Amino acid sequence: QKEVEQNSGPLSVPEGAIASLNCTYSDRGSQSFFWYRQYSGKSPELIMSIYSNGDKEDGRFTAQLNKASQYVSLLIRDSQPSDSATYLCAVMLDNYGQNFVFGPGTRLSVLP
Amino acid sequence: SAVISQKPSRDICQRGTSLTIQCQVDSQVTMMFWYRQQPGQSLTLIATANQGSEATYESGFVIDKFPISRPNLTFSTLTVSNMSPEDSSIYLCSVARSSEETQYFGPGTRLLVL
Repeated sequence: QKEVEQNSGPLSVPEGAIASLNCTYSDRGSQSFFWYRQYSGKSPELIMSIYSNGDKEDGRFTAQLNKASQYVSLLIRDSQPSDSATYLCAVMLDNYGQNFVFGPGTRLSVLP
Repeated sequence: SAVISQKPSRDICQRGTSLTIQCQVDSQVTMMFWYRQQPGQSLTLIATANQGSEATYESGFVIDKFPISRPNLTFSTLTVSNMSPEDSSIYLCSVARSSEETQYFGPGTRLLVL
């Protein structure tokens, strides 16, 4: 069973704080990892991809990957109310074509 | 990225009928996928639409219920057959190119079956 788990939500943070979203995966051979943001009633939008261990920063977003621990996270600095959405972790499995397995998502609320 | 459109954007259908959803991309793509997202849930892959051959279905999804076509590299359809209220969901098309591993999603089709 190929599984992707995310920390249960909803997660509420005050405006300006750091939001931390976590994801673990079961397939040790996974190589590619993605974070999507989904606003209510909208389709998922890619915000970050990460392929190597360590940190990857893009503006206020930082993705962190630890393949040994099978763990990937997304940090959102200086959180804004517009960041309120569901964040989906997606894992591309080894030898699975370009198919993704999605986690259940974490709903984030940034309170003004 | 890619510009992806889906038709219809939403529909209300009667039990026992079928609905065909179209997915159109503005440029050729290698891979096209169909997902289902039930209310409050994450995305579940239904199948990979293969150009010129039969789609590859995930466990729990069968061709008789979800026939898929992909006549070229920019277009695919998903049919939801003999619908029941349990098929009420958002159906999403996504695409990927062989040159990049990222998937991009269409706007989705909201289906309500009465």
